[in-house]
Amino acid sequence: NAGVTQTPKFQVLKTGQSMTLQCAQDMNHEYMSWYRQDPGMGLRLIHYSVGAGITDQGEVPNGYNVSRSTTEDFPLRLLSAAPSQTSVYFCASSYFPSVLSNTGELFFGEGSRLTVL
Amino acid sequence: QKEVEQDPGPLSVPEGAIVSLNCTYSNSAFQYFMWYRQYSRKGPELLMYTYSSGNKEDGRFTAQVDKSSKYISLFIRDSQPSDSATYLCAMRKTSYDKVIFGPGTSLSVIP
Repeated sequence: NAGVTQTPKFQVLKTGQSMTLQCAQDMNHEYMSWYRQDPGMGLRLIHYSVGAGITDQGEVPNGYNVSRSTTEDFPLRLLSAAPSQTSVYFCASSYFPSVLSNTGELFFGEGSRLTVL
Repeated sequence: QKEVEQDPGPLSVPEGAIVSLNCTYSNSAFQYFMWYRQYSRKGPELLMYTYSSGNKEDGRFTAQVDKSSKYISLFIRDSQPSDSATYLCAMRKTSYDKVIFGPGTSLSVIP
């Protein structure tokens, strides 16, 4: 049971380079999201999606793009990397919560550590 | 002002102590409240979930939500060294809305 799979786990970029962080889930979750985690800042939401073809911005979307062409995949693109984007990135997915049957628990990937020089 | 505030700690307690962790929030539209636990270099995992106001208990953990004060709490009884982790509160307004996290509180339980 794979759950949420993120790749790569580690990446070093130079300023101005572009890259894509991959996220795939095999639980048929409608909701998917990307967070970045920096010391003392908790998890800050970058972008999220409530279904294939639907994405929206979170708290810190600048410098990042997403798309959701399938239910399973939600890649995060860094268009022109900056040192301020050095962080640990987490992808998370869930069903939508319902009062009677579902908590909407977020399942997280193992994280991707990105360093921008 | 951030939507969700949380004392970052660090908080250090002796084994067996009762721990109280708190979050405040500014938007009264939040209805779904969660506590996640994150061990070092791991992804967060759901610990407690509460819909709307009230209390919920699960073993040594109790979650409380006071919507009138926009305040949520997590209590840990008989704390253990294995409880040493970062605790993050999280909330969402509707079923189809985004999930927002607080900054997290780092907890150490000393044997």
